Amino acid sequence: SQTIHQWPATLVQPVGSPLSLECTVEGTSNPNLYWYRQAAGRGLQLLFYSVGIGQISSEVPQNLSASRPQDRQFILSSKKLLLSDSGFYLCAWSEVGTEAFFGQGTRLTVV
Amino acid sequence: GEDVEQSLFLSVREGDSSVINCTYTDSSSTYLYWYKQEPGAGLQLLTYIFSNMDMKQDQRLTVLLNKKDKHLSLRIADTQTGDSAIYFCAAKNAGNMLTFGGGTRLMVKP
Repeated sequence: SQTIHQWPATLVQPVGSPLSLECTVEGTSNPNLYWYRQAAGRGLQLLFYSVGIGQISSEVPQNLSASRPQDRQFILSSKKLLLSDSGFYLCAWSEVGTEAFFGQGTRLTVV
Repeated sequence: GEDVEQSLFLSVREGDSSVINCTYTDSSSTYLYWYKQEPGAGLQLLTYIFSNMDMKQDQRLTVLLNKKDKHLSLRIADTQTGDSAIYFCAAKNAGNMLTFGGGTRLMVKP
């Protein structure tokens, strides 16, 4: 069966520090992968999506980047965090004909 | 691209029915989903409906789809305090892209 892992669950980072959030999916091949951000009390904002290895599409300009070094691995990064990068980050995957599966999220606080 | 819209907030009394509405713009949307998010947690899939269906019922949940008007609703019968959460509508188009609404915060008063 398919599973999705996202870590860490919580993270507190100083302004200007780098960021790396990782998401891996098991039990599926060539899924679509997504990174979403949810600011406090607000809806989901799609940050990046990927339809294959090395293929990344960015939905909004920002201080973040994403990479997909392997078929089932999706990484969200930043070289220098800003206060405005704080939020709840969710990784998700989907295939044609199936529902979307979400990770449990990472709460990032930039201080 | 697709737009998915939801009202921000809904308040109901315990035992009443809740109806959360959603509209979408892409008529090629293949699947439509309802997710529930409890505080501090990820999104949990509640139910989904395929675009060639009008209605789907699953215990206390009823999903209605009006494909002509591109309108989706989630009805929760006998709403309980444990149903308090944010509910997200999402649409998947033929290109396998997911688009989420902004979420509806449901508050259930005892």
